[in-house]
Amino acid sequence: DQQVKQNSPSLSVQEGRISILNCDYTNSMFDYFLWYKKYPAEGPTFLISISSIKDKNEDGRFTVFLNKSAKHLSLHIVPSQPGDSAVYFCAASRGPNFNKFYFGSGTKLNVKP
Amino acid sequence: ETGVTQSPTHLIKTRGQQVTLRCSSQSGHNTVSWYQQALGQGPQFIFQYYREEENGRGNFPPRFSGLQFPNYSSELNVNALELDDSALYLCASSLGGGLAGFTDTQYFGPGTRLTVL
Repeated sequence: DQQVKQNSPSLSVQEGRISILNCDYTNSMFDYFLWYKKYPAEGPTFLISISSIKDKNEDGRFTVFLNKSAKHLSLHIVPSQPGDSAVYFCAASRGPNFNKFYFGSGTKLNVKP
Repeated sequence: ETGVTQSPTHLIKTRGQQVTLRCSSQSGHNTVSWYQQALGQGPQFIFQYYREEENGRGNFPPRFSGLQFPNYSSELNVNALELDDSALYLCASSLGGGLAGFTDTQYFGPGTRLTVL
């Protein structure tokens, strides 16, 4: 059962513009969400997280938005840079003491110079 | 501070064989989680070890087993390999327990690519 879904396998954006990556989940018990970035031949790297008590979390060029009623979260990257080209995974858990993370299938972002 | 390392990088086995994958945690981390990532999919949680004890398991059969050692390095063992076990196997270490619970940031290794023929 796919409890976390990323419906866009790929996204192409021009350098300097905004990248918006989307993620939907089905389990209303999820209360902790993360985004990971993955380059080829490397493991996923933690990017940003958000707890369900917030609806927005910002870290530099990266902002994650959480819409609990819609069971939807999104990652905004502004401005996008060619080095941001990677596969982005969203993940969710029933935190803070629950250890099982559910991952989406990933969105491949290509930022064109 | 050393990162998470995994060995081997690539492995080819035949159906029915057994395989052991290894993971060295990031310095100071006491928790390791193992994931299976099939082609085109996200990582799927196999199990987690905290201070040498299994601390949660995903929907994987018992032929997937693990160990965590006193130095917090870890092994994933898979018996009776099947073709569908072909995947990238990722381990992730974190500092678990305490106020952070087990959702503290997980640091992933580069993975072991297993091919079962």
